[in-house]
Amino acid sequence: EAGVVQSPRYKIIEKKQPVAFWCNPISGHNTLYWYLQNLGQGPELLIRYENEEAVDDSQLPKDRFSAERLKGVDSTLKIQPAELGDSAVYLCASSSGTGSSYNEQFFGPGTRLTVL
Amino acid sequence: QKEVEQNSGPLSVPEGAIASLNCTYSDRGSQSFFWYRQYSGKSPELIMSIYSNGDKEDGRFTAQLNKASQYVSLLIRDSQPSDSATYLCAVNKGGNKLVFGAGTILRVKS
Repeated sequence: EAGVVQSPRYKIIEKKQPVAFWCNPISGHNTLYWYLQNLGQGPELLIRYENEEAVDDSQLPKDRFSAERLKGVDSTLKIQPAELGDSAVYLCASSSGTGSSYNEQFFGPGTRLTVL
Repeated sequence: QKEVEQNSGPLSVPEGAIASLNCTYSDRGSQSFFWYRQYSGKSPELIMSIYSNGDKEDGRFTAQLNKASQYVSLLIRDSQPSDSATYLCAVNKGGNKLVFGAGTILRVKS
């Protein structure tokens, strides 16, 4: 079974430029998550989708970040414009089922973003 | 107070010893608990999940949960140098919302 796929793996941009990350979850997984991980910290949730619906985006900085999950499969996370403080690893994860406290989440390889 | 707390380490153990990693959480209503292993430069990899009080064993790994004390631990028996990584504790507060600790760095010395 293929795991969570993310691209690109690395991205270097200058501040104020836009950037987009793409994620394809494990086949059949209804729930998709975007996390941000800073060095020395655990992942922090940005947004959670159940199928096409964003059910938790309370931690997403909506002034510059946006996300979509058209057709309930692939998802894209965008930052526009990027700031120096956005340099981090952006992780996508997926889990089967919705709304349960017992679903295991599986992570993709992540995208390492560097903003210069 | 952080929602999920872990000692940052590094925890150093000799090869073949038992490594004990600990985690405390603040939300008494938390329902499920997970341990992830993260190698340097890689993404987190799920190694254990536990939902009920007591012990759960999987190979060299044992997860322990004590909801009354709001404490979860991971024991790694016969530690190997390949176990050297950061171990992240994650707590599900309800629905699919995971909150992660900052992780404990484990170093296994050969």
